[in-house]
Amino acid sequence: NAGVTQTPKFQVLKTGQSMTLQCAQDMNHEYMSWYRQDPGMGLRLIHYSVGAGITDQGEVPNGYNVSRSTTEDFPLRLLSAAPSQTSVYFCASSGTFPLTEAFFGQGTRLTVV
Amino acid sequence: DAKTTQPPSMDCAEGRAANLPCNHSTISGNEYVYWYRQIHSQGPQYIIHGLKNNETNEMASLIITEDRKSSTLILPHATLRDTAVYYCIVRVVGATNKLIFGTGTLLAVQP
Repeated sequence: NAGVTQTPKFQVLKTGQSMTLQCAQDMNHEYMSWYRQDPGMGLRLIHYSVGAGITDQGEVPNGYNVSRSTTEDFPLRLLSAAPSQTSVYFCASSGTFPLTEAFFGQGTRLTVV
Repeated sequence: DAKTTQPPSMDCAEGRAANLPCNHSTISGNEYVYWYRQIHSQGPQYIIHGLKNNETNEMASLIITEDRKSSTLILPHATLRDTAVYYCIVRVVGATNKLIFGTGTLLAVQP
């Protein structure tokens, strides 16, 4: 049981480049979300999804797009990377609220130069 | 979701109980209290959650005051591996499973 898998673990981008951070879960969870964490700060919610085909914005959605075509996958797209998007990104999934915990991936460290 | 207030840092001696407080004075009746921790930039890890009653699992105990305006996470015998940032979060029942993190408490377990 792999849980929540994020790829890549590390990435360096140039300003203006685009890329997709991948997140996959094998627990058949309905709920998935993306967070970013800047140095010395807590996690901030970017986007979340309550099921396939349904997404919504979190606290800091600007500059990011998401889609949820399957239950398993929830990719995060950076359309035009900016240095302000340098951060550690975490993906999470959880089942039926409130009985189940949220599982987090190990993170993607993104540097935009 | 209700706002939570936690001390920025705490120390605890190895082997002793660590008691981490959380204030959530604006909590409403349908909001659960959740605790997560994050060890050195790893993904956060679920610890425990509760609504009204005290809860205990293999990792910790959660004590919620009768008026539900505050809670305490207790690690009964802290080890060096418990050094982490601990987040107290309140969540609305039936909401979208959003977890809104604050800045948490950095617990430093000292040898």
